[in-house]
Order: sequence, then structure tokens, then C-alpha cells
Amino acid sequence: DAGITQSPRYKITETGRQVTLMCHQTWSHSYMFWYRQDLGHGLRLIYYSAAADITDKGEVPDGYVVSRSKTENFPLTLESATRSQTSVYFCASTEGSGATWDTQYFGPGTRLTVL
Amino acid sequence: GENVEQHPSTLSVQEGDSAVIKCTYSDSASNYFPWYKQELGKRPQLIIDIRSNVGEKKDQRIAVTLNKTAKHFSLHITETQPEDSAVYFCAASWAAGTASKLTFGTGTRLQVTL
Repeated sequence: DAGITQSPRYKITETGRQVTLMCHQTWSHSYMFWYRQDLGHGLRLIYYSAAADITDKGEVPDGYVVSRSKTENFPLTLESATRSQTSVYFCASTEGSGATWDTQYFGPGTRLTVL
Repeated sequence: GENVEQHPSTLSVQEGDSAVIKCTYSDSASNYFPWYKQELGKRPQLIIDIRSNVGEKKDQRIAVTLNKTAKHFSLHITETQPEDSAVYFCAASWAAGTASKLTFGTGTRLQVTL
């Protein structure tokens, strides 16, 4: 579990501000994912990445931007935060190969509050 | 895309009893079904998973069954203990393009009472 970290762990911001959530993994996993967790909705996929410089939309991508210039980092940016983006954000990664190629391991989460 | 429904949303059992959580999925192409346990304030952690070529898998007190024809899978916890209290999520995986993406159920809050 220590192989995937997120920062900050808690963040309070105001409507309209830009916020970047960081995700870092030390396993050299190919795939990385961003989810948001809201009561009654479970975990919903925002964006995912199959490798450096390859990203794609998930179920709820609107209002978010991602990049992946290095395999180990997958930042998530809220370009203009809205109250509806108040949530707990989880980053996850998976090897993408081998016997456990699609087992996803989650980071500790970032609790974001937009005022 | 995939849709996963999970029931019940809350489940209370007495210590030592069994607990069963059920999920259904919509996409017959899904072939990987993990279960995650999430304690309060913690990250989801994989507890067991099953692939579509297997009907049942067991790991100590937990087991998962899969019925591909009916497109449903279940988590069974026997001899429940207070430390089993948590939120449990099922998920189904379907591949789109170059990645295998998980679609999660909405979770079951399990409370094990003494």
C-alpha cells in the first residue's frame, strides 16, 4: 500500500479556483486511475491512463483535466472548482500485465471540500 | 458501458452469523469481479476476486460465487467478527481500448454486532 501515495490528503478551496491533486506510485504500474467517491454513488471513474502520455475519459470526466508525463505520476486538476466537486478522490494503479494484471490498488485518498 | 447493482445497502448481523452481499452486472463481456472492503476513513482494499472462468473462490472465511448466465455474483462471509464491519464494494471489469476499467456497485455497509 505504501507504493501509491496522494497529496494533499485534505484540501479546502473556493468555487472557481484551480486545484491539483497529486498521485504517485513506485511500482512502475502501467495503468493509473482517478475515482471520486460520493455517498450513494460508490466509486466513479473520472479518468484513466494506460501509460505515459495516454489518457482517456471515464464515467464522470467533466470539469477535470489529467496529464501523465511520467509513468509514476498522474495529477488530477480541477480547472475551476465547483461545489459539486466536493468529494473524496482516490487514485489507483494496476500492473497491466501478468497474472494480476488488472488488480487495482488504491491510494489513501484526498478529501476535497469546495466552499 | 457496464452497470453494477449491489444489494443490500446496509446489513446488520450478529457476530458468528453469515453475511451475503449480492451484485448484478449488465455487460456479458465483463470477466473480472473483485470485492473491496473499505473501513471508515480508509482506502478500499481488495479482499477477494473471481474471474469469469471460475464459478466459486474461497479464502478462509470469505467466498465469492459467480453465475455468468444470470450475470450476478455474491460475497459470502462466514463466522462474522466485529472487525468485518466495513463498507463492501463489488465491481465488474470490462476492457475498453487499452485498459480494463472497473465499474463499482454503490456499496454495502456491514455492521457486525456483539
